[in-house]
Amino acid sequence: QSALTQPASVSGSPGQSITISCTGTSSDVGNYNLVSWYQQHPGKAPKLMIYEVSKRPSGVSNRFSGSKSGNTASLTISGLQAEDEADYYCCSYAGSGAFVVFGGGTKLTVL
Amino acid sequence: QVQLVESGGGVVQPGRSLSLSCAASGFTFSTCAMHWVRQAPGKGLEWVALIWYDGSNKYYADSVKGRFTISRDNSKNTLYLQMNSLRAEDTAVYYCARDRGRYGNTLPDYWGQGTLVTVSS
Repeated sequence: QSALTQPASVSGSPGQSITISCTGTSSDVGNYNLVSWYQQHPGKAPKLMIYEVSKRPSGVSNRFSGSKSGNTASLTISGLQAEDEADYYCCSYAGSGAFVVFGGGTKLTVL
Repeated sequence: QVQLVESGGGVVQPGRSLSLSCAASGFTFSTCAMHWVRQAPGKGLEWVALIWYDGSNKYYADSVKGRFTISRDNSKNTLYLQMNSLRAEDTAVYYCARDRGRYGNTLPDYWGQGTLVTVSS
């Protein structure tokens, strides 16, 4: 059950856009449109930001968007705000063997 | 609103057992698969286990297979995690999380606040 690969950190200035990548394999990200993204502030529980690659739950800002190409999923945050500073995790369904796999997490710093 | 409240965490010696509970409210518990996910101090999220909406199928991460058992009581709206033969590397905050569907493949949406398990002599 190998973790999905995310960059350890990304940064951007307020108002800018950033993209976080999440690279898996043809057994997980590449084989299912079942990728979710979570935001986690320090000491808090994760919060769902994107599900099924590109769908936003009710109440999540439309500044957050998701996409996928091949074995790599991506989370884009536009119009960066200070409150977006957090850790972000991708997650994919990986079939009935491994079932669920997470990325290692990306720390977003808003400069 | 959806609420998930974990309990049962604490300090336990290596090799001993501990049982976690997760009380669910605000949704129809019996129609949702449920996950346990853990996070070691300063580390990322690690999926631990999944149980289908009716308890008929269970799945585990390799790191806990044979030591941990996930179960649920739909009459009590409660999810459980029995942890045996605990190791130092099991030290983590344990979260219960609701899946968006019945079978766990649609991944978690709502999460509890977590309960800390510390394995230390």
